[in-house]
Amino acid sequence: GAGVSQTPSNKVTEKGKYVELRCDPISGHTALYWYRQSLGQGPEFLIYFQGTGAADDSGLPNDRFFAVRPEGSVSTLKIQRTERGDSAVYLCARSGVGGLAIYGYTFGSGTRLTVV
Amino acid sequence: AQSVTQLDSQVPVFEEAPVELRCNYSSSVSVYLFWYVQYPNQGLQLLLKYLSGSTLVKGINGFEAEFNKSQTSFHLRKPSVHISDTAEYFCAVSDPSSYKLIFGSGTRLLVRP
Repeated sequence: GAGVSQTPSNKVTEKGKYVELRCDPISGHTALYWYRQSLGQGPEFLIYFQGTGAADDSGLPNDRFFAVRPEGSVSTLKIQRTERGDSAVYLCARSGVGGLAIYGYTFGSGTRLTVV
Repeated sequence: AQSVTQLDSQVPVFEEAPVELRCNYSSSVSVYLFWYVQYPNQGLQLLLKYLSGSTLVKGINGFEAEFNKSQTSFHLRKPSVHISDTAEYFCAVSDPSSYKLIFGSGTRLLVRP
């Protein structure tokens, strides 16, 4: 979607490999989110950043998943030792002032990760 | 905990026919409700949202939804659909203090000529 850029758009990796997924919210929004959308499911919350810090990482499935946002803008979602079950579309979003959901999210087009 | 149920995984409909996509939610607190649309290979786009006030909410592309507190529903409707409305539609819920959206599993609207 306009205003949030995600790269790559598609990523195929072998089981056990490490991957990085990038999100650039483009405009200067402090609130940034990562969601994961598995096949046939709605998006599920992974992590929320307010500025540089992760305000809530309760949605990360296990310690193989980690996300950073060192300068408060671009964020990287990192997955170690990928498993076939990690295959999904990873969505990044930004929201309006205060980070509350009521202001609506602007989503990126997502990165489709396939682990073979 | 909040949850959202979209019972219809796919709704086929002919062009220019009316359509209703169903959404039911559960929550122990007051809620905000949203409908998002996802076109192929695109991100989710906000169609409409209910925060408070009038229970009938109008959104983009001719869609509207009605909040029914007693039935805990927020069904999406359009009186006449177009081929271009073919997409996946997601209902979502949040509470007033939350930054998280809880999404349903989605309904694929398939508009046929």
